[in-house]
Amino acid sequence: KQEVTQIPAALSVPEGENLVLNCSFTDSAIYNLQWFRQDPGKGLTSLLLIQSSQREQTSGRLNASLDKSSGRSTLYIAASQPGDSATYLCAVREGGSEKLVFGKGTKLTVNP
Amino acid sequence: NAGVMQNPRHLVRRRGQEARLRCSPMKGHSHVYWYRQLPEEGLKFMVYLQKENIIDESGMPKERFSAEFPKEGPSILRIQQVVRGDSAAYFCASSKGVHQNTEAFFGQGTRLTVV
Repeated sequence: KQEVTQIPAALSVPEGENLVLNCSFTDSAIYNLQWFRQDPGKGLTSLLLIQSSQREQTSGRLNASLDKSSGRSTLYIAASQPGDSATYLCAVREGGSEKLVFGKGTKLTVNP
Repeated sequence: NAGVMQNPRHLVRRRGQEARLRCSPMKGHSHVYWYRQLPEEGLKFMVYLQKENIIDESGMPKERFSAEFPKEGPSILRIQQVVRGDSAAYFCASSKGVHQNTEAFFGQGTRLTVV
């Protein structure tokens, strides 16, 4: 059974810092991995999608990496801003399945 | 191009009533997924539907919950005889189809409170 773990559960940093969020999964047979952002009381916004054959994806100040063999992904946020404060969710799409398996998220607070 | 639309955004029901949650997928998307987020928990898969067909309902509770995606109109998640434990945020996602690199797009969610 696929399990997704995100560490840390919460993170507080001063504005301007670079930071890394971690995601690990137990079964490497995945189609892809997505990073989402969730603001309080809101829906999920897709940030980056990494295909199983890819090693990383970049969008603006965000860079996500994928090491499928070791079951790990990281989300790197450069020059963090208060507007980056949100919960970041990692989800894997299992091979042969349409369902996404989510981690519990990392709650990020960027202090001005 | 409107995103995934869910309504209502907030729903309050008394114990024993029925809750009906609606989801209109993105234009051009024929695959719909429902997820539930309990307080302090991650999102959990409930059901995957294509037009008029339930493809995977492995995450649906065995009783009181049902889902449909008719030929015309939105997908509906129906919860009969709601209990306090059904209080959660229910999210709908849609995608274009079955391809290993298909991206799922999520709606804003419906927050159900059972009183």
